[in-house]
Amino acid sequence: EAGVAQSPRYKIIEKRQSVAFWCNPISGHATLYWYQQILGQGPKLLIQFQNNGVVDDSQLPKDRFSAERLKGVDSTLKIQPAKLEDSAVYLCASSLDVVSSYEQYFGPGTRLTVT
Amino acid sequence: AQSVTQPDIHITVSEGASLELRCNYSYGATPYLFWYVQSPGQGLQLLLKYFSGDTLVQGIKGFEAEFKRSQSSFNLRKPSVHWSDAAEYFCAVGKSGGYQKVTFGTGTKLQVIP
Repeated sequence: EAGVAQSPRYKIIEKRQSVAFWCNPISGHATLYWYQQILGQGPKLLIQFQNNGVVDDSQLPKDRFSAERLKGVDSTLKIQPAKLEDSAVYLCASSLDVVSSYEQYFGPGTRLTVT
Repeated sequence: AQSVTQPDIHITVSEGASLELRCNYSYGATPYLFWYVQSPGQGLQLLLKYFSGDTLVQGIKGFEAEFKRSQSSFNLRKPSVHWSDAAEYFCAVGKSGGYQKVTFGTGTKLQVIP
């Protein structure tokens, strides 16, 4: 079974530029999560999708961050414009559904550096 | 709101020695508790979880954890550490029932010396 795929693995941009991350969850997983992991901290949930609907985006900075999962499969997270404090690893995870959300499978992450 | 505290930022143990990583949680009801491991450059992997029942939980890779309600703790243990266990370990808490959301601690980085 293929795991959660993310790309790119690394990205360096200047502040005020835009960036997008892509995630392809495990086949058949209805729930998809985006986490932000700042160095020295645990992952923080940004947004959770159930199929193509948003379940929780309470911690997503909506003035600059956006995410979509149009066909209920893969997802894109965008930052526009980026700030220095957005430097972090962005983790994507998936689970079968919301009820089994504790069985989350994580991708390798995208390390973003904003200069 | 639920929260998790991992008081040890960094721990060093010798290979073959026993290990205990501390985790304290804050949650009003019976929590769901988890330990995840993150190797360098990798995503998180679930080691074990506690939902209910037996308070001593066995996980993968020889790890176990014990839920102690009176101490609001869920410490992770391993009797004999291997060099491959060097990684960062995250404790996490979720609420029981309803919408499932997991809150992670800040992590403990484990170094294993030969």
